[in-house]
Amino acid sequence: EAGVAQSPRYKIIEKRQSVAFWCNPISGHATLYWYQQILGQGPKLLIQFQNNGVVDDSQLPKDRFSAERLKGVDSTLKIQPAKLEDSAVYLCASSPSGGVTETQYFGPGTRLLVL
Amino acid sequence: QKEVEQNSGPLSVPEGAIASLNCTYSDRVSQSFFWYRQYSGKSPELIMSIYSNGDKEDGRFTAQLNKASQYVSLLIRDSQPSDSATYLCAVIGGSNYKLTFGKGTLLTVNP
Repeated sequence: EAGVAQSPRYKIIEKRQSVAFWCNPISGHATLYWYQQILGQGPKLLIQFQNNGVVDDSQLPKDRFSAERLKGVDSTLKIQPAKLEDSAVYLCASSPSGGVTETQYFGPGTRLLVL
Repeated sequence: QKEVEQNSGPLSVPEGAIASLNCTYSDRVSQSFFWYRQYSGKSPELIMSIYSNGDKEDGRFTAQLNKASQYVSLLIRDSQPSDSATYLCAVIGGSNYKLTFGKGTLLTVNP
């Protein structure tokens, strides 16, 4: 079974530029998560989708971050404009249905460096 | 008070010893508890989950949960150099059902 796919793996941009990350979850997984992991910290949930609907985006900085999962499968996370403090690893995860006992499977992540 | 707290370490143990990793959480009605392992430059991978009070064993790993004390731990027996990684404690709260991670504990197993 293929795992969670993410691209690109690395991205370097200058502040105020925009950037987009792509995620394809494990086939059949209805729930998709985007996390931000700053160096030395644990992952922080940015947004959770159930199929193509948003379940939780309470920690998403909506003035600059946006995410969509239009067809309920793959998802895109965008940052516009980027700030220095956005430098982090952006992790996508998926689970079968979002149940509280389910394992979340993480993709390899996208490392973003904002200069 | 932070939602999930872990000692950041680093924790250093000799090969073959028992490594003990600890975690406390603030949401008294938290439902599910997970330990993830994260190698440097890699993504987190689940190694243990526990949902009820007591111990749960899987090979060299034992997770312990005490909901009254709001405490969860991970014991690694016969530690190997390949166990050297950051161990992340994660909790699903009882109110928002969101997976919240601690900062992680860096474990180094010395040959």
